[in-house]
Amino acid sequence: GEDVEQSLFLSVREGDSSVINCTYTDSSSTYLYWYKQEPGAGLQLLTYIFSNMDMKQDQRLTVLLNKKDKHLSLRIADTQTGDSAIYFCAERLDNTGKLIFGQGTTLQVKP
Amino acid sequence: GAVVSQHPSWVICKSGTSVKIECRSLDFQATTMFWYRQFPKQSLMLMATSNEGSKATYEQGVEKDKFLINHASLTLSTLTVTSAHPEDSSFYICSANDRGNTDTQYFGPGTRLTVL
Repeated sequence: GEDVEQSLFLSVREGDSSVINCTYTDSSSTYLYWYKQEPGAGLQLLTYIFSNMDMKQDQRLTVLLNKKDKHLSLRIADTQTGDSAIYFCAERLDNTGKLIFGQGTTLQVKP
Repeated sequence: GAVVSQHPSWVICKSGTSVKIECRSLDFQATTMFWYRQFPKQSLMLMATSNEGSKATYEQGVEKDKFLINHASLTLSTLTVTSAHPEDSSFYICSANDRGNTDTQYFGPGTRLTVL
């Protein structure tokens, strides 16, 4: 069945790079997404990548996709305290728009 | 950018009452809206997919008679929790696909429901 896995926690120092990893099982994914959730808030779309791409960069964010290994990563350069949040990866399987979410990775940024 | 709003942002109700939550796309038309439920420190669980003008499609295990969904227009979907009980207390989040760009799904800020 469909499954998306993430590590639960990551702690980094301010100014370092953060790398959040995600694995998925369904090879028919069309798009893969990264969302950010701050306490008590909804989800903010950070970036997404089409399944036939390997990499996408958007300012401090770099997404890498290894389709063979079904592995997705989000790299945040020069991590700031304001980046502290829960990060969810999600895969979209078909044209219905339905998303399957990972458990979320809590990023803690220490000053 | 695309904005999705939810109302109310939080609600406290007595057991046995019904609660309606609204989800609106403010600056785009949404042919499809989604309703999720999130428990503390957990991921989002898709409850149902709502298409404008048609019946919602519910995920397995979600009671359609308890969670009534109406998608009356291209900018509004509502979720009504009927005869709410304490176990229905949760964070409910809606999202919407932009009709003009279905690649992306935008999320509302969520509604915190507490049933006493």
